[in-house]
Amino acid sequence: SQQGEEDPQALSIQEGENATMNCSYKTSINNLQWYRQNSGRGLVHLILIRSNEREKHSGRLRVTLDTSKKSSSLLITASRAADTASYFCATDAIASGGSYIPTFGRGTSLIVHP
Amino acid sequence: KAGVTQTPRYLIKTRGQQVTLSCSPISGHRSVSWYQQTPGQGLQFLFEYFSETQRNKGNFPGRFSGRQFSNSRSEMNVSTLELGDSALYLCASSSARTGGRGSWVQEAFFGQGTRLTVV
Repeated sequence: SQQGEEDPQALSIQEGENATMNCSYKTSINNLQWYRQNSGRGLVHLILIRSNEREKHSGRLRVTLDTSKKSSSLLITASRAADTASYFCATDAIASGGSYIPTFGRGTSLIVHP
Repeated sequence: KAGVTQTPRYLIKTRGQQVTLSCSPISGHRSVSWYQQTPGQGLQFLFEYFSETQRNKGNFPGRFSGRQFSNSRSEMNVSTLELGDSALYLCASSSARTGGRGSWVQEAFFGQGTRLTVV
């Protein structure tokens, strides 16, 4: 099963609006990362937030982390058509044997209409 | 700095055949991870290599194997292909390995992927 689950699965907005995506996970983590993927291509790293951080900003991106609720949110402000992509959260879940493996959610598909 | 290069970009194979995919990481990166992405299962971790050693492995059958060379380039092999192996295979390189306590604090850089179709 997926460690991280994004919500909503799909989001359609107009250019200039804000887009908020949420990620929930099941086990404790060291850090959480957000990635973007344009259709059928590789993933691009957006931001990493550590478990002892509550909020982080990068340009038009704002990520929050609530470890008590095991959830994170990604806010894209003043969205642009170029932001159209799938967005994934990824955590370092503990695998059997005690080592950490990166685990991705199923992603939120964002469409920004010009 | 050149990015992560995966070859080939597209591949069509027949059931029962085997396939080898290649990944050249960013220069200086010693960790290479492989992922399978399908519409149904999403992104699934296959394995990670660090300094020519497999350090982590996901929940995939033994038909999926890999290796890493001294120059950090990595190959992934899938034997006895099944229709369900059709997927986008992504590799990611990082300067840090993924296993171990407090790990994975470095971002991973992904290649464009190899689209494998099994017919």
